[in-house]
Amino acid sequence: QQQVKQSPQSLIVQKGGISIINCAYENTAFDYFPWYQQFPGKGPALLIAIRPDVSEKKEGRFTISFNKSAKQFSLHIMDSQPGDSATYFCAASRNRDKLIFGTGTRLQVFP
Amino acid sequence: EAGVTQFPSHSVIEKGQTVTLRCDPISGHDNLYWYRRVMGKEIKFLLHFVKESKQDESGMPNNRFLAERTGGTYSTLKVQPAELEDSGVYFCASSQGRGLYEQYFGPGTRLTVT
Repeated sequence: QQQVKQSPQSLIVQKGGISIINCAYENTAFDYFPWYQQFPGKGPALLIAIRPDVSEKKEGRFTISFNKSAKQFSLHIMDSQPGDSATYFCAASRNRDKLIFGTGTRLQVFP
Repeated sequence: EAGVTQFPSHSVIEKGQTVTLRCDPISGHDNLYWYRRVMGKEIKFLLHFVKESKQDESGMPNNRFLAERTGGTYSTLKVQPAELEDSGVYFCASSQGRGLYEQYFGPGTRLTVT
């Protein structure tokens, strides 16, 4: 049983557009929701994270929206750039311990 | 400061053979995690060390997998004997402490079992 469901599997966006990736979780005990960015040949790197006591967190062009009642959270990338092309993973954990990941979204941003 | 390193970067072995993966965490990081991503699926937790002790090995798929962390420094993950379904990318991550600290991931070892 997959505890964190991520969609879409792949996403193609034009430069300057908005990229949106969605995740849903099952376990209400999760209290930490990070997004990781992975470039080819590299390991996942923490991009931005949120705790369930806030509904939105913004860092530059990256925003997490969190809906606790719906058990959903999403990543918005504003003004998407070709350099944002990567695989994005949402994750969830309890006490920032072992991470439960989604299946990943391959984002391609075309100029 | 050097990041998490993993060796080898890629390993191709035949079914039934043995493979040992190595992870060197960031210096001073007591917590070390192993994860695995099978093609197209999620990155799955395998186990967690705090120093040399196994804190949580609930994700280890079966007894063909053996993880060690001698002296609380580097860790090895041995697969013996390897099966086709063991193919995937094995990631190691380390963190300074448990619960409050970011996990830093290594580049992974791509294991192909033929």
